[in-house]
Amino acid sequence: NAGVTQTPKFQVLKTGQSMTLQCAQDMNHNSMYWYRQDPGMGLRLIYYSASEGTTDKGEVPNGYNVSRLNKREFSLRLESAAPSQTSVYFCASSETWTGGYGYTFGSGTRLTVV
Amino acid sequence: KQEVTQIPAALSVPEGENLVLNCSFTDSAIYNLQWFRQDPGKGLTSLLLIQSSQREQTSGRLNASLDKSSGRSTLYIAASQPGDSATYLCAVKSGTYKYIFGTGTRLKVLA
Repeated sequence: NAGVTQTPKFQVLKTGQSMTLQCAQDMNHNSMYWYRQDPGMGLRLIYYSASEGTTDKGEVPNGYNVSRLNKREFSLRLESAAPSQTSVYFCASSETWTGGYGYTFGSGTRLTVV
Repeated sequence: KQEVTQIPAALSVPEGENLVLNCSFTDSAIYNLQWFRQDPGKGLTSLLLIQSSQREQTSGRLNASLDKSSGRSTLYIAASQPGDSATYLCAVKSGTYKYIFGTGTRLKVLA
């Protein structure tokens, strides 16, 4: 099925460990996004990539890095995980940066940092 | 700075009832507004997308309206069913081209 695929679905890390969350879309979308969702906070934008080759910070970028590997793939890296990064992470994509056709979301990665 | 609010935070209704979910935003200069559904432990599924030039969009039992001047959107669900139980999120895209999300309304439809 066409859409946005995220891996892994669940992950438990110890404080200080690193990991990379993977995201791939097969809709030929230009723009991709990483959000985190926390209870009572809604979804907050971490980083985005308006087009292949570009990345920019969102609302809450501290502690994260991203790579737009190619048009299909956009990864999120936690270099030194902290308990405050326990959250559900969602990747999304849109056809254009202006998002005229809305966003498509992946099913999420539930991350726990202990 | 755009802020999006959804009230109520939670809603419980009997099956068959028609209901309205509310979304308000502070900056009326928007490009579009999107309604999503999120089931527990799942991702977001797009329900309806309303462009700034449109007043409403319909899909099956769902109807979303947009009133930019008052900074409001409503999602109308007709003849609610237990399968409609989920969290409903609205997201607004405005000047920075990024979606700002509300915190959602958690709907429970009782059989």
